Amino acid sequence: GDSVTQMEGPVTLSEEAFLTINCTYTATGYPSLFWYVQYPGEGLQLLLKATKADDKGSNKGFEATYRKETTSFHLEKGSVQVSDSAVYFCALRQGQGGKLIFGQGTELSVKP
Amino acid sequence: DAGVIQSPRHEVTEMGQEVTLRCKPISGHNSLFWYRQTMMRGLELLIYFNNNVPIDDSGMPEDRFSAKMPNASFSTLKIQPSEPRDSAVYFCASSFNRGPSEQYFGPGTRLTVT
Repeated sequence: GDSVTQMEGPVTLSEEAFLTINCTYTATGYPSLFWYVQYPGEGLQLLLKATKADDKGSNKGFEATYRKETTSFHLEKGSVQVSDSAVYFCALRQGQGGKLIFGQGTELSVKP
Repeated sequence: DAGVIQSPRHEVTEMGQEVTLRCKPISGHNSLFWYRQTMMRGLELLIYFNNNVPIDDSGMPEDRFSAKMPNASFSTLKIQPSEPRDSAVYFCASSFNRGPSEQYFGPGTRLTVT
C-alpha cells in the first residue's frame, strides 16, 4: 500500500542554519503531497502542498518540490528561526478529498 | 470561521469507563476525519466520513471504538470500555472533498485513561 517515510529526528539546528527534512513516498499513480507542521500543544496545520510532478510548494520561507523520478518531497528552508521549532509531517493523498497518509513526523529544534 | 472545534480538550478517566469525544467540523466541509496520535505509533487515521457516511473505518482499533456522524455539523468518537492503552491525543479534521483541498485539524483531545 501507499506509504511515506521521513528522516528520523530530532533535528537540532542553530538559528539561521539551512534546513532539509527528507521525505520519500511509495504510491501508485500521482498522489498529492503535503507538509504539515505541528507546534507544541496544537493540531496540525498545512504548511505547503504540491499536486503534480515538478510542482514547488512554498510558504513562510519553506519550500518542497514534487520529484516523481525520485519519489521525494524534501522540505527545505534557507534560514531557520527559533519559532520554526515544531514537528513536521510529510503526507500524501490519492485522489480528491480522500484520506491522508502521514509519515512518522520529524521533530525540529532550533536553538538561538 | 472558528475552525474545527473539539471537546473536551482534556479528559482523564478510569479504565472501564465510557469516553465520548466530540467534533464540530468547519461549516461547509463534507469530509471528516478522526486521527489518534501516540509516541509509539505516530499519527493514525481511525475513520473518515464523507457526506456523513463512514467511508473507511479500517483504522478503528477494535469493537470498543465507535464513531458516528448524525449530521454535517457534528461527530462523536466513543470508547467503551476505555483502557490505559487508549491514552493518546485524538484529532478531528475536516475538508471539502472537491479539488486538492486541505484538511483542517482541530486542537485535539488529550485522553488519559488510568
